[in-house]
Amino acid sequence: RKEVEQDPGPFNVPEGATVAFNCTYSNSASQSFFWYRQDCRKEPKLLMSVYSSGNEDGRFTAQLNRASQYISLLIRDSKLSDSATYLCVVNTGHSSASKIIFGSGTRLSIRP
Amino acid sequence: DAGITQSPRHKVTETGTPVTLRCHQTENHRYMYWYRQDPGHGLRLIHYSYGVKDTDKGEVSDGYSVSRSKTEDFLLTLESATSSQTSVYFCAISGDRDIQYFGAGTRLSVL
Repeated sequence: RKEVEQDPGPFNVPEGATVAFNCTYSNSASQSFFWYRQDCRKEPKLLMSVYSSGNEDGRFTAQLNRASQYISLLIRDSKLSDSATYLCVVNTGHSSASKIIFGSGTRLSIRP
Repeated sequence: DAGITQSPRHKVTETGTPVTLRCHQTENHRYMYWYRQDPGHGLRLIHYSYGVKDTDKGEVSDGYSVSRSKTEDFLLTLESATSSQTSVYFCAISGDRDIQYFGAGTRLSVL
């Protein structure tokens, strides 16, 4: 079993729709969580950190469920520009040797 | 955008030749990382550094070596390139072991 698992998609949704992705992680000692966005042939860029209480940034909402060991990303009122691959990132490090694990990514395609 | 420069951006080389990729940062961040990204595998850590001359192996370190003689530079060397090392290589930096900022990547083809 992979340490961080994501549904690879692709998710193909119409503009304006709401879409949600989940990401599961296997290490219960994981400490911090993030969502990154990666456009085709570009580098990953931080979208948002994920906090225990959940957090929102405009149309994006991230949630953490420690009991079930997953994080989620909700995108409301999706735009064409949201088309990208979304990477779930989990940090299990608690020493100088940090262990940051990237999921393989979920592809999202927004259609007009 | 974080000040990270990778060079070269593209390289084609032959099997058996040595290759060195460079990552240069202007952020004075302590941590630097080298990843490779391949379809179906996502980003996999090759090596990382937590200070000048302090490096450690990641999950796919075989066939790769690194050096960090200055805070700003982290070099990745393929001692004898193989076709399985054809990939996109990303450098990342981090000031606190958590949030990472990535360079634009290097596309390497080993023929």
